[in-house]
Amino acid sequence: NAGVTQTPKFQVLKTGQSMTLQCAQDMNHEYMSWYRQDPGMGLRLIHYSVGAGITDQGEVPNGYNVSRSTTEDFPLRLLSAAPSQTSVYFCASGRTGITEAFFGQGTRLTVV
Amino acid sequence: QKEVEQDPGPLSVPEGAIVSLNCTYSNSAFQYFMWYRQYSRKGPELLMYTYSSGNKEDGRFTAQVDKSSKYISLFIRDSQPSDSATYLCAMSAYSSASKIIFGSGTRLSIRP
Repeated sequence: NAGVTQTPKFQVLKTGQSMTLQCAQDMNHEYMSWYRQDPGMGLRLIHYSVGAGITDQGEVPNGYNVSRSTTEDFPLRLLSAAPSQTSVYFCASGRTGITEAFFGQGTRLTVV
Repeated sequence: QKEVEQDPGPLSVPEGAIVSLNCTYSNSAFQYFMWYRQYSRKGPELLMYTYSSGNKEDGRFTAQVDKSSKYISLFIRDSQPSDSATYLCAMSAYSSASKIIFGSGTRLSIRP
């Protein structure tokens, strides 16, 4: 049972480069979210989706884009990487009517 | 002011001690209250879930919610070295996993 799968696990980018963090879930969950985790800041919501074709901004959306073309996948795009985007990124999913979020193992991103 | 404030710790206690972890919040719309546990280099996992005010017990863990004071707590009895982790409080106004707001986390260490 895979749950929420994030790839890659580690990535180093140069300032100005773009990349996509992948997230896939096999639980047929309607809700998917992206968080970033920084020391002393906890988890901060970047973008979320309540279903295929529907996305919305969270607390810290600037510099990131998302799309949700299928129920299973929710990729996060960094348009032009900046050192301030160095963080651990977590993808999460959940079911309708239940507040519990199921998290992936995270992607550790360093922007130099 | 952050919507959710959590004592940052770190907290170190001897094995067998009672641990108390706390969070305060400012948003009166929060109805769903959770505690997540995160081991090093892993994604958070749901530990306790409470709807509205009251207490909930699960083995050695007790979650308390006081909506009048906007204060939630997690108690761990007979703490074990395996309880060493970061504990994040989390809250939401919605019965879904789309917009969960997290505290900054408390790093807990249980000394054998």
